[in-house]
Amino acid sequence: DSGVTQTPKHLITATGQRVTLRCSPRSGDLSVYWYQQSLDQGLQFLIQYYNGEERAKGNILERFSAQQFPDLHSELNLSSLELGDSALYFCASSVATSSSGGYQETQYFGPGTRLLVL
Amino acid sequence: AQSVTQLGSHVSVSEGALVLLRCNYSSSVPPYLFWYVQYPNQGLQLLLKYTTGATLVKGINGFEAEFKKSETSFHLTKPSAHMSDAAEYFCAVSKPYSSASKIIFGSGTRLSIRP
Repeated sequence: DSGVTQTPKHLITATGQRVTLRCSPRSGDLSVYWYQQSLDQGLQFLIQYYNGEERAKGNILERFSAQQFPDLHSELNLSSLELGDSALYFCASSVATSSSGGYQETQYFGPGTRLLVL
Repeated sequence: AQSVTQLGSHVSVSEGALVLLRCNYSSSVPPYLFWYVQYPNQGLQLLLKYTTGATLVKGINGFEAEFKKSETSFHLTKPSAHMSDAAEYFCAVSKPYSSASKIIFGSGTRLSIRP
């Protein structure tokens, strides 16, 4: 158990609909990352939040948005859903460490939300 | 730009046999390299990582990987496969001191273990 929780585990919806995925990071982790994993595109970084603010953006569609709340949980909103949005959506949180090897973030992934768009 | 290539989308070995999962990278700067494992219906878990120093890195569950700069490789090995090793394995690369958002993942290799 990584300590990162995601709800729901499974989600089935129809094209054109809107869904919200939720992520709770590990206690004390300020960063939250969202990823999309699909068979054809592999694991794609979507967006990162740090302590409530957007920190980095990846291959996130305009139909998708995210936010991080004061209690550090995060939500990923997917709207105008298309068949191609069917995928596994992961959330990860991270802790930063400094050592002789330099600054490094270690990510901890949640179990994911499997979205099926029909 | 950085990239990572995993050779073989599916590898099958017998229980007790050597596991070898191949990963080659491309990077304009000395890279940080990672191996992650994804068990069925679970998220990714960090197996091991190379940042600097010793090129042979030991990880969890008996896995290890060796950074070979001359070959731009970071292959993952385990001397003796166990049934519980069946999973998908991802190699990843990033620049030093960069955010985890900059980690580039390979396409994954599914490892199957034959009894």
